Amino acid sequence: DAKTTQPPSMDCAEGRAANLPCNHSTISGNEYVYWYRQIHSQGPQYIIHGLKNNETNEMASLIITEDRKSSTLILPHATLRDTAVYYCIVRVNNAGNMLTFGGGTRLMVKP
Amino acid sequence: DAGVIQSPRHEVTEMGQEVTLRCKLISGHNSLFWYRQTMMRGLELLIYFNNNVPIDDSGMPEDRFSAKMPNASFSTLKIQPSEPRDSAVYFCASSLTGYGNQPQHFGDGTRLSIL
Repeated sequence: DAKTTQPPSMDCAEGRAANLPCNHSTISGNEYVYWYRQIHSQGPQYIIHGLKNNETNEMASLIITEDRKSSTLILPHATLRDTAVYYCIVRVNNAGNMLTFGGGTRLMVKP
Repeated sequence: DAGVIQSPRHEVTEMGQEVTLRCKLISGHNSLFWYRQTMMRGLELLIYFNNNVPIDDSGMPEDRFSAKMPNASFSTLKIQPSEPRDSAVYFCASSLTGYGNQPQHFGDGTRLSIL
């Protein structure tokens, strides 16, 4: 799976949009971009994933650049409960492919 | 809908004891992954099942570890005998299929401490 690069930490004001960037310049055509988050003492929580097109669900939006070398996770109205470590993962579409979590971005939502 | 359910949430036991961790998959999911998370090594895949059959157990540390799926909705991970270096948070995750285009959904884990 391709390597990803994320900033180690970010702050966001409560109620504002949080935009979390991820670089995956070596991504190949059959690799999906996944976002998970982990809040202390809980299991990783799936947020969203995509291949080429932008995606939106009830939690977030995922914007993937046309060349697929980077993406941005958008939390439209961040709350204090969104404080967590956010992981961008690139995953090939094979059977049994594990998730490889890197360092992630520690998002702190402040009142 | 109920997510992946793991039990117990915490387990403290003495070295040499048998430990059994349990996992209930999301209804309708056919694939199960057991992971272990430590500060030093991050998240490691231990074993992957598809349709109740173990497909890849190359991550299982040694023979002291064994995992089963007695039915389509339930799995156990057993450590016998346990050792202090087995202390970690153990997660199971289920997926509709085992393919990379389907997300894995994690339970809240079992925090295991071996004294």
